[in-house]
Amino acid sequence: KNEVEQSPQNLTAQEGEFITINCSYSVGISALHWLQQHPGGGIVSLFMLSSGKKKHGRLIATINIQEKHSSLHITASHPRDSAVYICAVRALNYGGSQGNLIFGKGTKLSVKP
Amino acid sequence: EPEVTQTPSHQVTQMGQEVILRCVPISNHLYFYWYRQILGQKVEFLVSFYNNEISEKSEIFDDQFSVERPDGSNFTLKIRSTKLEDSAMYFCASKGNLNTEAFFGQGTRLTVV
Repeated sequence: KNEVEQSPQNLTAQEGEFITINCSYSVGISALHWLQQHPGGGIVSLFMLSSGKKKHGRLIATINIQEKHSSLHITASHPRDSAVYICAVRALNYGGSQGNLIFGKGTKLSVKP
Repeated sequence: EPEVTQTPSHQVTQMGQEVILRCVPISNHLYFYWYRQILGQKVEFLVSFYNNEISEKSEIFDDQFSVERPDGSNFTLKIRSTKLEDSAMYFCASKGNLNTEAFFGQGTRLTVV
């Protein structure tokens, strides 16, 4: 069983749509990361959060620690948002004492003009 | 903006050869990581490094793998005798402290033939 599950696996949207990507995890965590992986493969950190909500531009990330669930929202989506969005958690007792991450499989987002 | 730099971006090697993947983490960071992503699969943790020693490693990180921080700036991953299944994208990451975001390099695509 994967400790980190993302949904959907693939998502196609029209430009301007509001997008939600979900992440559920089964372990206790100290932090959750949302990452963006570009078609060329590079990974960029979008958010790190341990509670509540963070906003950066058109991106919003929320987390509910009790429900072990996080969402990434993209408002007014644009074709340049097309990428794979990855949820990763820093588990409390995964031998993760030094902060290594457990990754979800990613959600491939394609935004059509 | 500071960034993690990885070289080379793409390496092709013959099975059984040794490869060294290089990373220059952000200069004042203290925690260093290697991850890999086999094509079409999720990112997996390999090893974390702190205070000049390995602090955590995964099952993947067997005796064929080693890491070094030889000169206080570079952080290298060595694979002693490459196998076909070592073909993957290898990502280096660094953090200033455990509670901050990880910064990822652009990755090195290793192809073993």
